[in-house]
Amino acid sequence: ETGVTQSPTHLIKTRGQQVTLRCSSQSGHNTVSWYQQALGQGPQFIFQYYREEENGRGNFPPRFSGLQFPNYSSELNVNALELDDSALYLCASRGQDEKLFFGSGTQLSVL
Amino acid sequence: DQQVKQNSPSLSVQEGRISILNCDYTNSMFDYFLWYKKYPAEGPTFLISISSIKDKNEDGRFTVFLNKSAKHLSLHIVPSQPGDSAVYFCAASDPGSRLTFGEGTQLTVNP
Repeated sequence: ETGVTQSPTHLIKTRGQQVTLRCSSQSGHNTVSWYQQALGQGPQFIFQYYREEENGRGNFPPRFSGLQFPNYSSELNVNALELDDSALYLCASRGQDEKLFFGSGTQLSVL
Repeated sequence: DQQVKQNSPSLSVQEGRISILNCDYTNSMFDYFLWYKKYPAEGPTFLISISSIKDKNEDGRFTVFLNKSAKHLSLHIVPSQPGDSAVYFCAASDPGSRLTFGEGTQLTVNP
């Protein structure tokens, strides 16, 4: 049990649509990160938020955006969905040390 | 540009024997290294970590070794158990605390 919960667990969208994925992390964990895991690959860093501000971004286009809220919840928004966006999206939170604790992920399928 | 590489996509060992999973990295800025275990339909679970100032860290059956000059780390599991069967990801953290993952190694422990 990591204390990180994600919703929904599965989602099906069509190309061009927009999607919002949600995450609730442990109380006191001020850093939240989002990762994309395509089939057969390791998770890829999308971006990171600390105290509601983005403080790091991976190699993803601007149509991937996020928000972090004071209640330790966060969102990942993806606009203009493409087929290649189909993946497992993982939220992770971090406390005082370097360890990241992951949720179970949202499996997104874009048709 | 794959900065963290796990060159063995799969590994099969007998129960009770040692499992050795390997990982190589290229970025000298990485200062913290982690191993995660992942079961299907679940998020990665933190297993063990090591700081770049150490060369070994042990936790029960799991030991991680770091060779900074060779930019190589390994995870040893002794003795291996069937419940250890999972995908193992090596991850490296940069000073911005973003994780770069390898592609994973599927470990199968046979009874």
